[in-house]
Amino acid sequence: SQKIEQNSEALNIQEGKTATLTCNYTNYSPAYLQWYRQDPGRGPVFLLLIRENEKEKRKERLKVTFDTTLKQSLFHITASQPADSATYLCALHTGTASKLTFGTGTRLQVTL
Amino acid sequence: DTGVSQNPRHKITKRGQNVTFRCDPISEHNRLYWYRQTLGQGPEFLTYFQNEAQLEKSRLLSDRFSAERPKGSFSTLEIQRTEQGDSAMYLCASSLVRTGGNEQFFGPGTRLTVL
Repeated sequence: SQKIEQNSEALNIQEGKTATLTCNYTNYSPAYLQWYRQDPGRGPVFLLLIRENEKEKRKERLKVTFDTTLKQSLFHITASQPADSATYLCALHTGTASKLTFGTGTRLQVTL
Repeated sequence: DTGVSQNPRHKITKRGQNVTFRCDPISEHNRLYWYRQTLGQGPEFLTYFQNEAQLEKSRLLSDRFSAERPKGSFSTLEIQRTEQGDSAMYLCASSLVRTGGNEQFFGPGTRLTVL
């Protein structure tokens, strides 16, 4: 069966450290993978998109890697800040369909 | 504010009643999506439109659910004969189709509570 797995346990890290979140998938062949941020009571906000032929993408303090052999994406936030505290969702987009299939999300808590 | 808007933000209804939600996408976006999200889960795809055409519906979308996008602008999602299991956050998103993977812009959602 198809699955997208993100660590359901909250990730607690100290301000200034690098947060690394994992997204693993099975039985998908996504053309693209996206990461979204979601704050409580709000809709998801797009952060980064990475294509299947790209290994890494960066945007400011954010970095995403995509390994289609391992079927895994890693999402890094460097120099984390308390304002980065939120739930982070990975989503797969296959080339033949427009919909996104989301993981359950990982809650990140950055403390002082 | 030129983002995606949804109304109402909250809706409380009794089981068996009908409810309708509205989504106004970003004006130049030609694709509009509906998702449902329950606590602790990621959004689940329900349906999407390209302009006014409804191109895909999830198996999750029972015959009590119907969505429209007249004239390719705003969209409505109606749930008939609501059940307690319909309680969730209903999210609308829009995007501009292009050759790359399309990022989706989400609205704030409508939280439905069925008593």
